Amino acid sequence: AQTVTQSQPEMSVQEAETVTLSCTYDTSESDYYLFWYKQPPSRQMILVIRQEAYKQQNATENRFSVNFQKAAKSFSLKISDSQLGDAAMYFCAYRSAPGNQFYFGTGTSLTVIP
Amino acid sequence: GAVVSQHPSRVICKSGTSVKIECRSLDFQATTMFWYRQFPKQSLMLMATSNEGSKATYEQGVEKDKFLINHASLTLSTLTVTSAHPEDSSFYICSARDRTFNYGYTFGSGTRLTVV
Repeated sequence: AQTVTQSQPEMSVQEAETVTLSCTYDTSESDYYLFWYKQPPSRQMILVIRQEAYKQQNATENRFSVNFQKAAKSFSLKISDSQLGDAAMYFCAYRSAPGNQFYFGTGTSLTVIP
Repeated sequence: GAVVSQHPSRVICKSGTSVKIECRSLDFQATTMFWYRQFPKQSLMLMATSNEGSKATYEQGVEKDKFLINHASLTLSTLTVTSAHPEDSSFYICSARDRTFNYGYTFGSGTRLTVV
């Protein structure tokens, strides 16, 4: 089975600064998707960004961008110009291209300091 | 965008009773529904996958007779926790995939179940 590892249980960043959350995964598949989800205190899972493994270009969504290193099986999330509303638990997730099941990491709790 | 409405958001029940959690897809037809369980400060663990009109597929270690899943229509899936015990207390989240996959996977807002 695929595994997703987030080695940073907690991170903090000053408001307006940049922070990078780490994620590594293990798979023998060549075609898959990677995701970052945000879970604020409301517990609603919100999709932040998605990356297709076949795309070499890193995905970007406004202040959020990823550094996808397929050979290293690394998928980090960079949040620029951090805002107070970015404070949440962030989960990295993997999904096989033909499959439905998500494999989630253990999460990183991000605190934004005013 | 796609919305999955999950109810109730919180429920407290007595040990031995059953609790039903509903997930409805509001703007799309959910051909596949996923049910997750999340313990405090932990990740989401997939419990089961259900396709509309078919029996649910349960993950290893999940008791299918305890966690009854019904997906009788394209817009509604239910999870019933039968004969609940305190160890069933947890946060349950559903996720739906639409027929056309235009919306990807949409999560419900979760249900906090407390069994006393």
